[in-house]
Amino acid sequence: GAVVSQHPSRVICKSGTSVKIECRSLDFQATTMFWYRQFPKQSLMLMATSNEGSKATYEQGVEKDKFLINHASLTLSTLTVTSAHPEDSSFYICSQGLRGREETQYFGPGTRLLVL
Amino acid sequence: GQQLNQSPQSMFIQEGEDVSMNCTSSSIFNTWLWYKQDPGEGPVLLIALYKAGELTSNGRLTAQFGITRKDSFLNISASIPSDVGIYFCAGHPSYNTDKLIFGTGTRLQVFP
Repeated sequence: GAVVSQHPSRVICKSGTSVKIECRSLDFQATTMFWYRQFPKQSLMLMATSNEGSKATYEQGVEKDKFLINHASLTLSTLTVTSAHPEDSSFYICSQGLRGREETQYFGPGTRLLVL
Repeated sequence: GQQLNQSPQSMFIQEGEDVSMNCTSSSIFNTWLWYKQDPGEGPVLLIALYKAGELTSNGRLTAQFGITRKDSFLNISASIPSDVGIYFCAGHPSYNTDKLIFGTGTRLQVFP
């Protein structure tokens, strides 16, 4: 399967600050990566699809100006939570598709964000 | 957003017992994936199913892609304590094959 890493694994920040989360594909180049959010005791919800070299595609209800996605290289996608507020506290997880079977998604270890 | 109906919501079983959980949808799906998530970790892929009727095993785990393409089940045989976790089904609906939709999850607790 695909190997995906995320950094940082957890972050605590003050309300109003911005936080950047990195998602790296370690074993092959991924033109498409996905960002999910998971609230406690809930399932994963797709936030956006990150496309290398072009704009991300956001799901309905996800503010693109608040959750900035940059996919500047084939191995790195970043999610920046701008002007974070306590309600943005969540578990953020990225994924990528398996080459040749892009519908089979492999997930990173996740980033726990706590906004005070 | 849409979620798949997954049942049961939680299970408390004794070590050695078999487990069965399923996932249903009102829409047709093109793929079904089963994941296990441990606390504080990302989901780990267990089994991937790509066509209707497909039955696939991975060790003690067996999953099937329903013939109607609207459901899938996961069985775990002879459960062990490390099977504890949350199991999620996920799939790509035929109306939007780019989007992976997740089930509501089944929390499994195994007692020795």
